[in-house]
Amino acid sequence: DQQVKQNSPSLSVQEGRISILNCDYTNSMFDYFLWYKKYPAEGPTFLISISSIKDKNEDGRFTVFLNKSAKHLSLHIVPSQPGDSAVYFCAASWGYGDMRFGAGTRLTVKP
Amino acid sequence: DSGVTQTPKHLITATGQRVTLRCSPRSGDLSVYWYQQSLDQGLQFLIQYYNGEERAKGNILERFSAQQFPDLHSELNLSSLELGDSALYFCASSFGTSGRRFEQFFGPGTRLTVL
Repeated sequence: DQQVKQNSPSLSVQEGRISILNCDYTNSMFDYFLWYKKYPAEGPTFLISISSIKDKNEDGRFTVFLNKSAKHLSLHIVPSQPGDSAVYFCAASWGYGDMRFGAGTRLTVKP
Repeated sequence: DSGVTQTPKHLITATGQRVTLRCSPRSGDLSVYWYQQSLDQGLQFLIQYYNGEERAKGNILERFSAQQFPDLHSELNLSSLELGDSALYFCASSFGTSGRRFEQFFGPGTRLTVL
């Protein structure tokens, strides 16, 4: 049941450059999308979200873009910092909190 | 610290056994969610409870069951364990019932190893 896919298991970028993490979904019923960040030995923590009625949401260095026609969303981190190194999960939700997660992308930001 | 606690942190058991994972939500949160993360897999939504009642069900096996008690803590029961049940099990909580309006806060997880 791969309704949410993150096709890149890992991404490595240089400090100060842009990180772009991608996510695709298949279920058109999803109406809310989220990104979670996970450090080792900790549970995921909420990062940023976007409603399906918007195409962009920005919070500081983090921006999420949603392309509904392509069923694609992306997370941009600018500028990337070493502390951003973590696993990033894309999630999609509808209804009563039933949320589907992607497999995650491990981001490494090199100093 | 998210405010969500899970016990135990680690659990090692044998095939065919039964285990219980426990979760205490953040103070004031009414919803509890359970997720399974297997090796190289994303988080698989298992089940959600809201104020003691089952609200949403995901890919939860019949061998698994959960409940939420009057004090709002929740337990996930896994029975007739198989090797493939080895995974990290996360609990999350939120104030409301909808993941759209209310952020989910995750606990640190319970790592289950079935030998």
